[in-house]
Amino acid sequence: GAVVSQHPSWVICKSGTSVKIECRSLDFQATTMFWYRQFPKQSLMLMATSNEGSKATYEQGVEKDKFLINHASLTLSTLTVTSAHPEDSSFYICSASGLGDYGYTFGSGTRLTVV
Amino acid sequence: AQKITQTQPGMFVQEKEAVTLDCTYDTSDQSYGLFWYKQPSSGEMIFLIYQGSYDEQNATEGRYSLNFQKARKSANLVISASQLGDSAMYFCAMREGPYNQGGKLIFGQGTELSVKP
Repeated sequence: GAVVSQHPSWVICKSGTSVKIECRSLDFQATTMFWYRQFPKQSLMLMATSNEGSKATYEQGVEKDKFLINHASLTLSTLTVTSAHPEDSSFYICSASGLGDYGYTFGSGTRLTVV
Repeated sequence: AQKITQTQPGMFVQEKEAVTLDCTYDTSDQSYGLFWYKQPSSGEMIFLIYQGSYDEQNATEGRYSLNFQKARKSANLVISASQLGDSAMYFCAMREGPYNQGGKLIFGQGTELSVKP
């Protein structure tokens, strides 16, 4: 079946630094990538949607200059958390959708801790 | 705007019994899709079952079935013969629009299911 590889699975960084999270679709072309964040015991909140080669569309309240999303190819999308602060600590997970496919393939998630 | 509601923050079920997890949705689209996912403590999202808005039959996948009541806008998940490994968070989600347009997936609040031995 379809697989999305997400790295790193966990990361600890210092306040003020930037962290990049990668999602790669291994066996299909991810025409659309969705990025979510999830706080403990809460739901997945959609942050942004990106289509290959286009600028990402951010959900209301999500700072696009803080959460940089790049979807330069059909197999790779990245989320960069810039100038991270402790309140950015969360679980980030990507989800990919392919052409003509009704389903969504999720990455395994990244636990970000900002100290 | 689309909305998904799960009103049961937590549920308990005895091993081997059936359990129903509730989900209601709101959308103005005629074409949409409904999904259920399981999220264990590891965080991975495990796809369980899908129901398209035009599907006339309720979806079934092994021990999982989806009770789709279109007029009531509900899409409850039924898990039969619960197992200890079923203990996890369960999310109902909805995609607005046809499946081939890559619409975003919006999630409900989730239900934490605990299966008791």
